[in-house]
Amino acid sequence: DIVMTQTPLSLSVRPGQSASISCTSTQSLRQSDGKTYFYWLRQKPGQSPHLLIYDVSSRFSGVPDRFSGRGSGTDFTLKISRVEAEDAAIYYCMQTIQLPPTFGQGTRLE
Amino acid sequence: QVQLVQSGAELKKPGASMKVSCKASGYTFTDYYVHWVRQAPGQGPEWMGWINPITADTNYAPKFRGRVTITRDTSINTAYMELSSLTSDDTALYFCTILDFGESYWGQGTLVTVSS
Repeated sequence: DIVMTQTPLSLSVRPGQSASISCTSTQSLRQSDGKTYFYWLRQKPGQSPHLLIYDVSSRFSGVPDRFSGRGSGTDFTLKISRVEAEDAAIYYCMQTIQLPPTFGQGTRLE
Repeated sequence: QVQLVQSGAELKKPGASMKVSCKASGYTFTDYYVHWVRQAPGQGPEWMGWINPITADTNYAPKFRGRVTITRDTSINTAYMELSSLTSDDTALYFCTILDFGESYWGQGTLVTVSS
């Protein structure tokens, strides 16, 4: 199985500041078709996960541009600019290039 | 819009079976595989398996193989996940989800508690 490792596991920032979360995978998530099967999800307390970013840097519908993703191959970063109180959640990275889909441990943003 | 609506919370005794339903709407049911993912308390998500709604082909994580059965009823756009021989370790939130490239939609989750 592909192992996804996130850092840090916990992050505390003040509103208006930026936050960055890293995720590394044990093998490349870039397919020969040019697509990278890497995602960032956000799970607010008591809710199901929701897609934020796919293909490393593409924002899902309705996701504000304060959220940005970068990286390639095996190393990825999610940046949240101008953090708002509503961004408090657990953020997960996920890969679907290979079965089983696997997730990072999650990063709690406070 | 795409919606996945799951059945309600369940309390089960050890050794029993559970069956969770997932009703899809807002899209053509046969367009996407339906995956099942669970999340134990305080833990990250864990993939359990998927079903191809067209062919009913399934693929299960080795950890659950032999205990999990995923089915679907295309007449009512609903997928099901059944897990047998429950133990306390199966206490978790169970989600149905679509995990396609560029698309990810999740049900609201079904809490299953296994306790004597």
